Amino acid sequence: KAGVTQTPRYLIKTRGQQVTLSCSPISGHRSVSWYQQTPGQGLQFLFEYFSETQRNKGNFPGRFSGRQFSNSRSEMNVSTLELGDSALYLCASSTPGVTEAFFGQGTRLTVV
Amino acid sequence: QQQVKQSPQSLIVQKGGIPIINCAYENTAFDYFPWYQQFPGKGPALLIAIRPDVSEKKEGRFTISFNKSAKQFSLHIMDSQPGDSATYFCAASIESGGSNYKLTFGKGTLLTVNP
Repeated sequence: KAGVTQTPRYLIKTRGQQVTLSCSPISGHRSVSWYQQTPGQGLQFLFEYFSETQRNKGNFPGRFSGRQFSNSRSEMNVSTLELGDSALYLCASSTPGVTEAFFGQGTRLTVV
Repeated sequence: QQQVKQSPQSLIVQKGGIPIINCAYENTAFDYFPWYQQFPGKGPALLIAIRPDVSEKKEGRFTISFNKSAKQFSLHIMDSQPGDSATYFCAASIESGGSNYKLTFGKGTLLTVNP
């Protein structure tokens, strides 16, 4: 069974640009969560999607948004990039009734 | 406000030693406490998890001890090996109906096991 796939693995963007990251969950998993990982703040919850609906949202500005498609794949978008948005963005998926969340390898975003 | 506090930040042990990583939480509504292991360039991988109805759980060389009254839990790694060198994160969440949930992570512990 394939794991959680995140694309791209690495990304370099310029301040002010926007970026879209993609996450394909494990087959059969309908819930996708996104986390931001930085050396200073650690792992922080961004948002969670289940059946194409955002169910939970972390404490991030509105520049961070996401969506989920009918096949459970998810995208997150960051608009008007700032230097502080440089981070590893991780996606996790899980299946109903099972608490365990499986993480992808992440997308390393560098804003210059 | 950091809801899950993890210590130490880094830890160095010799092969065969028993590193202990501690976490403390504030929110008494938390009812699921997983530990994740992360190697450089990889995403976190679930190692072991515990719920507050038990005080200890063992899986292989990994043991979680849980103290509900003190709102603390810890990870012990028995007979540690150089391959255990990684960053370890404790986390907590409110398990709810449905599938995924919001994990609140500690800041992580960088473990180095010397040969």
